[in-house]
Order: sequence, then C-alpha cells, then structure tokens
Amino acid sequence: DGGITQSPKYLFRKEGQNVTLSCEQNLNHDAMYWYRQDPGQGLRLIYYSQIVNDFQKGDIAEGYSVSREKKESFPLTVTSAQKNPTAFYLCASSDRRSNYGYTFGSGTRLTVV
Amino acid sequence: GQNIDQPTEMTATEGAIVQINCTYQTSGFNGLFWYQQHAGEAPTFLSYNVLDGLEEKGRFSSFLSRSKGYSYLLLKELQMKDSASYLCAVRDRNDYKLSFGAGTTVTVRA
Repeated sequence: DGGITQSPKYLFRKEGQNVTLSCEQNLNHDAMYWYRQDPGQGLRLIYYSQIVNDFQKGDIAEGYSVSREKKESFPLTVTSAQKNPTAFYLCASSDRRSNYGYTFGSGTRLTVV
Repeated sequence: GQNIDQPTEMTATEGAIVQINCTYQTSGFNGLFWYQQHAGEAPTFLSYNVLDGLEEKGRFSSFLSRSKGYSYLLLKELQMKDSASYLCAVRDRNDYKLSFGAGTTVTVRA
C-alpha cells in the first residue's frame, strides 16, 4: 500500500545536538512538506519542496535544514540553533491528483532533554 | 498569505449535531480541506470543497460559500470517537501548499 512513513516515532535529543527526522513516501507525489505542531496550536510550515533538488523556506525555517535528493525522501535536520525544538513534527506530501490535499505521516515527537 | 479563523473549542453530547465554522481571507481561492486529528496522531482527510455548496459523506458534511469566505463542517449523530481536533485548510490559487487554521477541539460527552 502507498503511504508516507516518518521515523522515529519518538526521539530524544540532548541540547546542542543536531538530529535528523526521516520522511519517505511511495505515493509518487511531487510535493513534500514539514510542519511543526505545538500543544494547542495549529500547524506551522517549516520547509517545503515541489521538485527534487529544490526546496523553499516556510514560516519558521530558522534552526532547521532539509534536502530533497530523491523524490521519495525529504529528511529534516533540527540543528542546535533551533531554540525550542521540543514539538510534534509532521511530514506530508501532495499531488495534483488529490487537488494537492495532503497525506500525512504518523509524526515524530521530539523531546530535548 | 491566508487568515483562517475557527473556534478553539466546542462541546456536544453523544448523538447530537455540531457545526464547526471556518472563515478565511485569501487573495485567490483554490480549494478548502477539512482534516480530523486525534490527540498525538497525524491529521486525516475528511472533505474537500472547491465549488459552492454542500458535500455529504456519511455522518460528515462540509459546506462552502466562496463569496463569503466561509465554510462549515457538520458532524451528525456524534459518537465518542469523534472527539478530536478538526482543522480547516485553504489552498491559494497561485500555490500548491495549504494554510491551516489553528484547529477546533471537539469534545463529545456521554
């Protein structure tokens, strides 16, 4: 079955460390996205990509980096420069066949200890 | 950019009906989505409206008025499992990414 997979589900990081969150999709979707969700808040866009080797900053890109070397993969690195990284991170993909409605991964909960 | 507003919280009784409103302001509208999100889980797709009118899917219906920048999600015959956050998302005409409202937390009580 096609879908979008995020790993790991839970991640603990020490302050000052970089950490990379994985996102893989086999839906053949062109566009991929990373969102951050804090308790009681909506989804805030970190980075997005429409095609391989191209991506754009979202509303809260500072302290994060991404790459899009393959259509299927869009990993997110949370760097030590991100001041408040503890959050729930969601990856999504979309395609014109679904009117660009999103399919979401199951999320990664990152906790800085 | 988008400005999307929806109520923060709503409470209803099992078996009842709840209507979640969403208003938006956009420079060019190209579709509105509703998602359901249970606590700690990913959002799942509920409905899509791009033309004015009502879309019905079982117990859930979604309505759109483009001239008023307004949509609602109607949940009928509420069940305990409907307790979740409901997200309204809008796509701009010149973009492919969605902008999300903050979400409405619906609590269903017995």
